[in-house]
Amino acid sequence: DIQMTQSPSSLSASVGDRVTITCRASQAISNYLAWYQQKPGKVPKLLIYAASTLQSGVPSRFSGSGSGTDFTLTISSLQPEDVATYYCQKYNSAPRTFGQGTKVEIK
Amino acid sequence: EVQLVESGGGLVQPGGSLRLSCAASGFIVTNNDMSWVRQAPGKGLEWVSIVHTGGRTYYADSVKGRFTISRDNSKNTLYLQMNSLRAEDTAVYYCAREAFLAPAGPLDYWGQGTLVTVSS
Repeated sequence: DIQMTQSPSSLSASVGDRVTITCRASQAISNYLAWYQQKPGKVPKLLIYAASTLQSGVPSRFSGSGSGTDFTLTISSLQPEDVATYYCQKYNSAPRTFGQGTKVEIK
Repeated sequence: EVQLVESGGGLVQPGGSLRLSCAASGFIVTNNDMSWVRQAPGKGLEWVSIVHTGGRTYYADSVKGRFTISRDNSKNTLYLQMNSLRAEDTAVYYCAREAFLAPAGPLDYWGQGTLVTVSS
């Protein structure tokens, strides 16, 4: 099975900072990669799919890139409401594995 | 409006069984691939199972042979039958809809989750 590895596992940044989270697949998955945001006590929310397509209603400060095995989620200017855990997920085939998550906090 | 409402969670003893339900509205469950995802307390998301539109099913290795995913077209409901439950199955269980994108899509709608606790 393909493994999904996120880094870092957590980060602390200041409001306005550019934040980058990476996700690596153990085998190529083309662009079948999604990013989700889960705020504390809330249900996960789809942010990005097809590696770089922004889900409707998601602020433009979020962006995604990558293909094959290496992917990136970028928050161009971190806002207080972005405090959350972010997960990547492969969805090209089963199992639809998630990364272990990256917790983003405000410094 | 698309909505997913899970039910059926609760406290169950190790070795016991439980059936989770996920009532869908705003779309037809057989028109989309549907998944179950779980989250143990304080832990990350774990994909559990999927049923494709054509009926094929797949499971995570951790639940294979113990869990069964199914759907009832007449009730527009997704199910997860969980048998031989273990302490490590304790989690919030979410049902989620995959976006209708060929050949596969991300999870675009999620239910609010139902808590399953396996303990004696």
